[in-house]
Amino acid sequence: AQTVTQSQPEMSVQEAETVTLSCTYDTSESDYYLFWYKQPPSRQMILVIRQEAYKQQNATENRFSVNFQKAAKSFSLKISDSQLGDAAMYFCAYRTMEYGNKLVFGAGTILRVKS
Amino acid sequence: DTEVTQTPKHLVMGMTNKKSLKCEQHMGHRAMYWYKQKAKKPPELMFVYSYEKLSINESVPSRFSPECPNSSLLNLHLHALQPEDSALYLCASSQDPIGGYEQYFGPGTRLTVT
Repeated sequence: AQTVTQSQPEMSVQEAETVTLSCTYDTSESDYYLFWYKQPPSRQMILVIRQEAYKQQNATENRFSVNFQKAAKSFSLKISDSQLGDAAMYFCAYRTMEYGNKLVFGAGTILRVKS
Repeated sequence: DTEVTQTPKHLVMGMTNKKSLKCEQHMGHRAMYWYKQKAKKPPELMFVYSYEKLSINESVPSRFSPECPNSSLLNLHLHALQPEDSALYLCASSQDPIGGYEQYFGPGTRLTVT
């Protein structure tokens, strides 16, 4: 079974600075998808960024980018120019290729942004 | 419209009550999901519906009973719940049950069992 590990329970960043959230995973599959989801306090979970395992190029969405190291099974999220609105719980998630589109989530990292 | 709606937002029920949670999406998605989320924990998958048929049940107790009346609607019927079932219940949908499609999450129903 696949597992996802987020080793940083909490992180803090100063507004306008850059922060990197770590994620590692374990799988025997060669093809899969990886996601970062953001869940602000008492608000809806939304997708931040997605990476297809067969693509070597790292995904980027505005201030959010990933460092995908397939051999190392590592998928970190970099947030540049941090804003107060980035404060949230961030979940790394793995999608199996099995039918049903199951997501396996990491434990999450709480990101605090200081003004 | 990329919205998944859930009702009610909050629900308090006794252990002998029967209640239902409702989830709706109008994006034409063919896969819908129920998750349970405890505070500061990741969502735990409960059920997956693919093309209106139950495709995954993650060994959920029978006091939780899902139903998919049509392609836009997903219900979760609750009966004889325990206090430990208190949690945020999230519904999600995705375009298809296979492939790298994003799951869109609803805002959740916060359930308290007394």
